[in-house]
Amino acid sequence: DVKVTQSSRYLVKRTGEKVFLECVQDMDHENMFWYRQDPGLGLRLIYFSYDVKMKEKGDIPEGYSVSREKKERFSLILESASTNQTSMYLCASSLGAGDKKYNEQFFGPGTRLTVL
Amino acid sequence: AQSVTQLGSHVSVSEGALVLLRCNYSSSVPPYLFWYVQYPNQGLQLLLKYTSAATLVKGINGFEAEFKKSETSFHLTKPSAHMSDAAEYFCAVSDLGNEKLTFGTGTRLTIIP
Repeated sequence: DVKVTQSSRYLVKRTGEKVFLECVQDMDHENMFWYRQDPGLGLRLIYFSYDVKMKEKGDIPEGYSVSREKKERFSLILESASTNQTSMYLCASSLGAGDKKYNEQFFGPGTRLTVL
Repeated sequence: AQSVTQLGSHVSVSEGALVLLRCNYSSSVPPYLFWYVQYPNQGLQLLLKYTSAATLVKGINGFEAEFKKSETSFHLTKPSAHMSDAAEYFCAVSDLGNEKLTFGTGTRLTIIP
């Protein structure tokens, strides 16, 4: 089974802090994604990466950056956390490449971030 | 551009009753469609997917969905609700060559004992 893990389930940070959210997948997937989930808004794509060191902005990239130095790891960075970034953050991965046609994504358990 | 509409942000059904969660999509090309389930404090888990084979798709936990091109719908059903079905359900769409999924806003399903 594909396993996607996220470094923290719950995180509390202060306004202005730099925040790192880490995601690791163990199935050699090409694609990795970061979403934020808010009540009534569903999942919104922040960034995605289709290869090491490659990234593409999603629908709401403002205030975020990402890093993918190794295939299995995709990090989301909040350079200066703000209260409006309090949310649930979900990481996902998909096979890509040869299985591009189905695009099924596998999700981690999520990180609930609170910015005070 | 693709989009997904889930009618009803909250649905309540009695235990043993039919579950019907609605999903309509818009896509300029034949889509791939997915239903995901999210239990409290967990990530999303794939329930089922439509990939242009059979229009009636069976998933896990007794759920199924029917792709109706004429109605641009992909509604999720289960004949008899169980207490363990209480969760949030998301419909998503993508198309060939597009690595990204577009998600609906979700439907929270409550089961009444």
